[in-house]
Amino acid sequence: NAGVTQTPKFQVLKTGQSMTLQCAQDMNHNSMYWYRQDPGMGLRLIYYSASEGTTDKGEVPNGYNVSRLNKREFSLRLESAAPSQTSVYFCASGRQKKNTGELFFGEGSRLTVL
Amino acid sequence: EDKVVQSPLSLVVHEGDTVTLNCSYEVTNFRSLLWYKQEKKAPTFLFMLTSSGIEKKSGRLSSILDKKELFSILNITATQTGDSAIYLCAGHSGGSNYKLTFGKGTLLTVNP
Repeated sequence: NAGVTQTPKFQVLKTGQSMTLQCAQDMNHNSMYWYRQDPGMGLRLIYYSASEGTTDKGEVPNGYNVSRLNKREFSLRLESAAPSQTSVYFCASGRQKKNTGELFFGEGSRLTVL
Repeated sequence: EDKVVQSPLSLVVHEGDTVTLNCSYEVTNFRSLLWYKQEKKAPTFLFMLTSSGIEKKSGRLSSILDKKELFSILNITATQTGDSAIYLCAGHSGGSNYKLTFGKGTLLTVNP
């Protein structure tokens, strides 16, 4: 079982460059999420999609855009990267209808912005 | 705005010690409180708590929720070096805003 797959795993950008982090899940989950993790900050929600066709801002959405391409895929785009966006990004998915709250995480994407 | 606060932020113990990690929460439309363990990569699920006073147990780990006082604790008995990790607590908000709000985590280091 692949679960939640994120690409790329590592990326180095220069300030002002753009990039898209891709995420796909094969568990037929309705909800998908993008978090960022910085040292000592836990996981902070960037954007989430409660179901296909909907997206909502989380705690730290500035500088990011998302697309819920279909039920499986949820991408995160940085239009003009800044050093403050250096972080580890985690995509996650969950079964909203059963309301268990349990999320399944990808292995993370480490992004460095110079 | 939903808020989850964990304490302590870091903890160093010796193998065999018992530790208690704390989590307080303020979450709208509260559904459940979850604990995750994070070693090198992705967080992995430990417990989900929905009812007050009912202990969830898995081996040396246990957790309990107090919905009146809005907090949860995670206990680890007879700690081992393999328990070294970041432990994350998250509040689950239901309704149309189905999402988890995480605390900053507790970094646990277990020394031999």
